[in-house]
Amino acid sequence: DAMVIQNPRYQVTQFGKPVTLSCSQTLNHNVMYWYQQKSSQAPKLLFHYYDKDFNNEADTPDNFQSRRPNTSFCFLDIRSPGLGDAAMYLCATSREGQGLYEQYFGPGTRLTVT
Amino acid sequence: GDSVTQMEGPVTLSEEAFLTINCTYTATGYPSLFWYVQYPGEGLQLLLKATKADDKGSNKGFEATYRKETTSFHLEKGSVQVSDSAVYFCALSDSGSTDKLIFGTGTRLQVFP
Repeated sequence: DAMVIQNPRYQVTQFGKPVTLSCSQTLNHNVMYWYQQKSSQAPKLLFHYYDKDFNNEADTPDNFQSRRPNTSFCFLDIRSPGLGDAAMYLCATSREGQGLYEQYFGPGTRLTVT
Repeated sequence: GDSVTQMEGPVTLSEEAFLTINCTYTATGYPSLFWYVQYPGEGLQLLLKATKADDKGSNKGFEATYRKETTSFHLEKGSVQVSDSAVYFCALSDSGSTDKLIFGTGTRLQVFP
């Protein structure tokens, strides 16, 4: 089945220790997104790629970076995690932009910062 | 800017009760509207969508109608089940220049036998 896969499902890192979360998709979608979701809150968009074009949200901290080496994979790098970065990180894809197509979400990676 | 407002939860119902979760939006363009559902410990799944005024989205017994005159997209189900317990998010996507979803704050539904 075509899908969005996130690894790992649970990640524990230490305060200030860089961490990378990964996302892969078999849907061959052009657009990939990273969201941060804190407990009992709505997902908050961090950034997205339209093909290779990177689009950062204005309020995304510099501590968060992303890479998309090819259509299938996208990575979220947190350079120096703080306690406030503990959250669920959701990857999503969509076929095209322009708001007409739904986003397909992965199961998420729950990040704990100790 | 564009925004989505949902009724606060939790919504607590008995099995087979009627469900309504209210959602209203503010948008400058002509957005597409979505309901996503999130089960505990999982990512979001699309439940239904509508892309233009008066469209009705439906799936798994859930329905929502895109009402431009009242800027609403209320979610309804005639008879809920325990397995419907989850968090429901209303969202919009501007059909203009952006590719992103704007979510409401989510409404938790708890259904008891």
